Amino acid sequence: EVHLLESGGGLVQPGGSLRLSCAASGFTFSHFAMTWVRQAPGKGLEWVSGISSDGSAYYADSVRGRFMISRDNSKNTIYVQMNSLRVDDTAVYYCAKGVATIGWAFDIWGQGTMVTVSP
Amino acid sequence: EIVLTQSPEFQSVTPKEKVTITCRASQSVGINLHWYQQKPDQSPKLLIKYAFQSISGVPSRFSGSGSGTDFTLTINSLEAEDAATYYCHQSSSFPLTFGGGTKVEIK
Repeated sequence: EVHLLESGGGLVQPGGSLRLSCAASGFTFSHFAMTWVRQAPGKGLEWVSGISSDGSAYYADSVRGRFMISRDNSKNTIYVQMNSLRVDDTAVYYCAKGVATIGWAFDIWGQGTMVTVSP
Repeated sequence: EIVLTQSPEFQSVTPKEKVTITCRASQSVGINLHWYQQKPDQSPKLLIKYAFQSISGVPSRFSGSGSGTDFTLTINSLEAEDAATYYCHQSSSFPLTFGGGTKVEIK
């Protein structure tokens, strides 16, 4: 069964850092693009960052320069290092699997991990 | 950045009724437009990819159409389990973007 499991969320002060992980199973991880999408409480979906199968990274303007996405194909895991966190980064962070190597429709989603940025 | 505008934002619908949700892109996205369903306290679920391509396991009452800047998600014969918020999403260019969502309520 295809499965994604996020971890690493929690409470952090403004200006702090956090690293989220997403462990994948049930598919050939190295063949697919992966992404992070977030959802602030009561709000809609916001794309955060994505990484293609060849390691090319892409970012939303709101996080460029503060967040860094990476992948470790040996561990079937993607990460997002989040620095200089702001109150408006508070959200549930989902990782999701692309439908192809550079396919950016997302067919499998994790359950999400909550990040709260508060003084 | 490509802006996706969904309409309506909210719709209250009777079971067995047909539902139509539209998504308009601020510039052409070709067919790189996808639809998701999100139920309360659940992760999003892919319903339609590349404007009209069906997804295995998704009921056939869900269909998509359109290209360029104007797209439609249609739910034929709405069922109670379809109460959810629906989002469109473009993958034509970075940054990827989502529409604001359409909440469908069952009367």
